[in-house]
Amino acid sequence: KAGVTQTPRYLIKTRGQQVTLSCSPISGHRSVSWYQQTPGQGLQFLFEYFSETQRNKGNFPGRFSGRQFSNSRSEMNVSTLELGDSALYLCASSFDEYNEQFFGPGTRLTVL
Amino acid sequence: AQKITQTQPGMFVQEKEAVTLDCTYDTSDPSYGLFWYKQPSSGEMIFLIYQGSYDQQNATEGRYSLNFQKARKSANLVISASQLGDSAMYFCAMRDLGDNFNKFYFGSGTKLNVKP
Repeated sequence: KAGVTQTPRYLIKTRGQQVTLSCSPISGHRSVSWYQQTPGQGLQFLFEYFSETQRNKGNFPGRFSGRQFSNSRSEMNVSTLELGDSALYLCASSFDEYNEQFFGPGTRLTVL
Repeated sequence: AQKITQTQPGMFVQEKEAVTLDCTYDTSDPSYGLFWYKQPSSGEMIFLIYQGSYDQQNATEGRYSLNFQKARKSANLVISASQLGDSAMYFCAMRDLGDNFNKFYFGSGTKLNVKP
């Protein structure tokens, strides 16, 4: 079974631009969560989608948004990028809320 | 309030020795799950072990075991016979499993260095 895949793996953007990151969960998994990881703040929860519905949301500004498609694939979008958005963005999928999350390799975003 | 606390930012252990990584948690939900993840320098998070709040026995998975003390709200990870490849960041996580589908809470992590 293929693992969680994230594209792109690396991204360089400039301030003010917007970016879209993609995540394909493990086949059969209906839950997808997104996390931001930085050296200073650690692992911070962004949002979780389950069967196309946002179920939980972390404490991030409205510039961060996401969605999930009917095939469980998910995208997250960050608009008006700031230098502080530079981070490793991790996507994780699970079958449901009772099971462990499996993480993708992450997208490393650098904002210049 | 912090849901997951990992008090050891960094630890050293000699190869082939056992090591315990501490984790305490806070929840009022009687039903919850506890998880440990490993993150090598490559960045990918790897699931290690799971303990359910109603599980009677401590979880074990190969060289990993979870020392679950429910009354003390602790879920320490024990790695036996440490290997050089165990050098990584280790994260403890929890998810409430009650009526409210709660998010995963992650601790700040412990950086483990295995010395040859």
